[in-house]
Amino acid sequence: KNEVEQSPQNLTAQEGEFITINCSYSVGISALHWLQQHPGGGIVSLFMLSSGKKKHGRLIATINIQEKHSSLHITASHPRDSAVYICAVRWGADGLTFGKGTHLIIQP
Amino acid sequence: NAGVTQTPKFQVLKTGQSMTLQCAQDMNHNSMYWYRQDPGMGLRLIYYSASEGTTDKGEVPNGYNVSRLNKREFSLRLESAAPSQTSVYFCASSESVRGLAGGDTQYFGPGTRLTVL
Repeated sequence: KNEVEQSPQNLTAQEGEFITINCSYSVGISALHWLQQHPGGGIVSLFMLSSGKKKHGRLIATINIQEKHSSLHITASHPRDSAVYICAVRWGADGLTFGKGTHLIIQP
Repeated sequence: NAGVTQTPKFQVLKTGQSMTLQCAQDMNHNSMYWYRQDPGMGLRLIYYSASEGTTDKGEVPNGYNVSRLNKREFSLRLESAAPSQTSVYFCASSESVRGLAGGDTQYFGPGTRLTVL
């Protein structure tokens, strides 16, 4: 089984700050997903990564396969970015393990 | 398009009662999934349906049954609810049979918050 650790568990920041959320895993993977869960509960897929870096608007996701580590960055953070960010890793034939999530609050 | 819809949004049950959580998708997806989310834990897969007419157990299937009624609808049934089944339940769908595990995007419903007293 793949152990997925996210850090920090909770993060409160001021509007405009650069945010970094980390995800580490224990077993080699084929890909990693970042998901966003809104305060109302809805879950949205943000990125799928197997190598390198992806960017969408103010969100940037990077992955280092050798170090078994991924980061999600938010530039110029805004209160509407407040959400739970979840990392999920694909491994083995059909393995899928979710992290516990990082609760992010951006204060105006 | 409504995407993935779930009913009800909230439910309170007494131990031993039964209920069915409903899920429907309008994206013509082949595969559908039921997850539960508990405080301090990641999402965990209960059951999934790769295609109409098939269902398979996920990581935590005990105490649940599912029915893939047609391509659109996938229901989750608790035959005799227990306090350990207090959780938020999410339904999801994807085009491919393996969803996130296969590298495909999964689309999630808004969730059902279930409390078992």
